[in-house]
Amino acid sequence: AQKITQTQPGMFVQEKEAVTLDCTYDTSDPSYGLFWYKQPSSGEMIFLIYQGSYDQQNATEGRYSLNFQKARKSANLVISASQLGDSAMYFCAMHGSGYALNFGKGTSLLVTP
Amino acid sequence: NAGVTQTPKFQVLKTGQSMTLQCAQDMNHEYMSWYRQDPGMGLRLIHYSVGAGITDQGEVPNGYNVSRSTTEDFPLRLLSAAPSQTSVYFCASSKEGGWMNTEAFFGQGTRLTVV
Repeated sequence: AQKITQTQPGMFVQEKEAVTLDCTYDTSDPSYGLFWYKQPSSGEMIFLIYQGSYDQQNATEGRYSLNFQKARKSANLVISASQLGDSAMYFCAMHGSGYALNFGKGTSLLVTP
Repeated sequence: NAGVTQTPKFQVLKTGQSMTLQCAQDMNHEYMSWYRQDPGMGLRLIHYSVGAGITDQGEVPNGYNVSRSTTEDFPLRLLSAAPSQTSVYFCASSKEGGWMNTEAFFGQGTRLTVV
């Protein structure tokens, strides 16, 4: 069985600063994918970034990067130069052979001026 | 390009009533799934389908039925609504890709209240 753990229920960051959201996972699948989604207060789920278990380099998408440490089974999201619009819930998720996404409980990020 | 469309967006049911949450996608994705989101619980998988005619249970399937007669549609049926089914429901679809990037596209969600 797969398990995703997000240990930070809430985080604060000042505008223009960088912030790291933690995610650890557990799986017995040799091949898997890791995802981060953003959920603003409006409720929609927005895909941010993907990391495959066999990818040699850490994924980056604009201001988002993924600090992937396979041996430690961690996939932390780094948001650089935070903006007020980054205030939202952030979910780490993974899928294995079954394609079903398993989600963590999420981290609420508040960006302050 | 509509993506994943869920209807209705809001619904209030009385205990014991039945209803169907609709989900349709126009991306020809093989894989579709239903999640429920409760405060502090993240998203939990209810049922999923890997193609027309094939469905399976997720983490929290009790009280829900699904069918997949076409690639496009994946309705979720509440058989006899209970207050514990008050939640926000999300439908998602993705193309089959194995270990490759199979980003899930989500609908806008249905906020269901059972009184």
